[in-house]
Amino acid sequence: KQEVTQIPAALSVPEGENLVLNCSFTDSAIYNLQWFRQDPGKGLTSLLLIQSSQREQTSGRLNASLDKSSGRSTLYIAASQPGDSATYLCAPGANSKLTFGKGITLSVRP
Amino acid sequence: GAVVSQHPSWVICKSGTSVKIECRSLDFQATTMFWYRQFPKQSLMLMATSNEGSKATYEQGVEKDKFLINHASLTLSTLTVTSAHPEDSSFYICSARDPTSGTSTDTQYFGPGTRLTVL
Repeated sequence: KQEVTQIPAALSVPEGENLVLNCSFTDSAIYNLQWFRQDPGKGLTSLLLIQSSQREQTSGRLNASLDKSSGRSTLYIAASQPGDSATYLCAPGANSKLTFGKGITLSVRP
Repeated sequence: GAVVSQHPSWVICKSGTSVKIECRSLDFQATTMFWYRQFPKQSLMLMATSNEGSKATYEQGVEKDKFLINHASLTLSTLTVTSAHPEDSSFYICSARDPTSGTSTDTQYFGPGTRLTVL
């Protein structure tokens, strides 16, 4: 059974800082991995999707990397802004299913 | 991008009543939809996979007679929480898979969620 760990559970940084969010998973037999953003009381917004054959994906200030063999993924956020404050979830996908971590709640202070 | 809606966005009901939640794909046809439940500060847990025209597949530990899923069309899946109790209070989120995206597990597009409170 896939288990996904995201540590720390919460993170507070000053505006402008570059930061890395980590995700680890136990079963490396995945097809892809997605990073999502969730605002309080809201649904999910997909940020990046990395296929198992890829090493990284970039979208604007976001860069996600995947090391499938070691069961790790990172989400890099450049020049963080207060609007980036949210919970970030990673979800490796296999057999048509996604398994979610508990997420990292990010607070970017102005 | 693909849009998924849920209705209602929140609902409060009395213990013992049944509540129906709708999930719609607005601009694509979704042969497969997924229902998740999220408790406060917890991860999303997959409850069931809903396939158009066939029975839903439930995850281990999810009572299929309590959480009734119907996927009657390519754009609509419904989740009915029967005889709801306070412990069923949670955030229910659906997602729909766009089969035209071309990847093996395809991109799932998520609805905005439904907050259920059972008194």
